Amino acid sequence: GAVVSQHPSRVICKSGTSVKIECRSLDFQATTMFWYRQFPKKSLMLMATSNEGSKATYEQGVEKDKFLINHASLTLSTLTVTSAHPEDSSFYICSASPGTASTDTQYFGPGTRLTVL
Amino acid sequence: GDSVTQMEGPVTLSEEAFLTINCTYTATGYPSLFWYVQYPGEGLQLLLKATKADDKGSNKGFEATYRKETTSFHLEKGSVQVSDSAVYFCALIHAGNMLTFGGGTRLMVKP
Repeated sequence: GAVVSQHPSRVICKSGTSVKIECRSLDFQATTMFWYRQFPKKSLMLMATSNEGSKATYEQGVEKDKFLINHASLTLSTLTVTSAHPEDSSFYICSASPGTASTDTQYFGPGTRLTVL
Repeated sequence: GDSVTQMEGPVTLSEEAFLTINCTYTATGYPSLFWYVQYPGEGLQLLLKATKADDKGSNKGFEATYRKETTSFHLEKGSVQVSDSAVYFCALIHAGNMLTFGGGTRLMVKP
């Protein structure tokens, strides 16, 4: 099946620093990529949707200046958490889809656990 | 708007027991329906899916049937194993390719 990787798998940073998380589709071209945040014992919350070469679409309540998303190619999207604070500590998961049709399956990365001290 | 409702967990079963995790949805039209599984410390994996009414998705002994009349997509397995212990998410895709997730159900299987 389709493989999506994320890097790093875990990151610990100091408050006020920025952290970049990469999401790669390894064996298919991802027309659309998604970024989710998962709080402990909670479901996933969609943060933003990005299409290659265009600006990301952020969900209501997600600060686009804090969570910078770049979808520079059909196999790579990055999420940068700027000026991280302890409340940004969470599990961030990306997913990628080969198309834009509503029936296209999303393939998920393994997630990145961010801890902000 | 679209929504997915799952039974709350945790669900605790003995090995080889029968599993049902209920999932119902609210959406206009005909969404595609999915079950995802999240093992401890890992990301989500697609378990199975169904794209139209009466379709049955199946994988690794798990099954779910798309029931339009009851707007349900219940997950079943005839004989669970300890290795099935995980969190299971029901989800749908409707307009715009956006996944809507249920709250997740934690399954714990004891030997």
